[in-house]
Amino acid sequence: EDKVVQSPLSLVVHEGDTVTLNCSYEVTNFRSLLWYKQEKKAPTFLFMLTSSGIEKKSGRLSSILDKKELFSILNITATQTGDSAIYLCAVWNTGNQFYFGTGTSLTVIP
Amino acid sequence: DGGITQSPKYLFRKEGQNVTLSCEQNLNHDAMYWYRQDPGQGLRLIYYSQIVNDFQKGDIAEGYSVSREKKESFPLTVTSAQKNPTAFYLCASSMRGQGLQPQHFGDGTRLSIL
Repeated sequence: EDKVVQSPLSLVVHEGDTVTLNCSYEVTNFRSLLWYKQEKKAPTFLFMLTSSGIEKKSGRLSSILDKKELFSILNITATQTGDSAIYLCAVWNTGNQFYFGTGTSLTVIP
Repeated sequence: DGGITQSPKYLFRKEGQNVTLSCEQNLNHDAMYWYRQDPGQGLRLIYYSQIVNDFQKGDIAEGYSVSREKKESFPLTVTSAQKNPTAFYLCASSMRGQGLQPQHFGDGTRLSIL
């Protein structure tokens, strides 16, 4: 059975801390792994990772994929209260299906 | 601007009633999806459609029905058989080929029981 597992389920940190969110997967016909940030409404796309070992970076956020060990991490440095959200990991397969994890709820306190 | 429109934003259902959530996209995407999200949870797939006049059940299809008569539209009906419908419902679409952002989402509909 195809599945995506995220950890931790929730996290509370102080502003300025660095956090690492984990995503492991077992999905056949893997195409890409996706990270989203969700606040009140629709998930906002962050990264798409297709190749192993190539870091994607956007400001204080970065992510990398390991296709051998079947996992990805999302790093957020110097966290701010605006980073508080649910972070979703999804795997996109070649059949155009998307498998989502349960998400990590991040709370950043001032 | 191209995008996905879901309506209504909020919906209340009475016991024994069927309700329909609308999802329209003008991105010319072939595939469309419906997800359910419960508080503090990720997204669970209800139904998806890769092309017009064809759709498949996802992980939690019981108590729901869909249709795909037009490429732009993928309405979801929550039937009276769905005993716990209170949730946030997200519609999404994707294109089959390569793209910078593989899946686009609407702003969601919050459904509650009266």
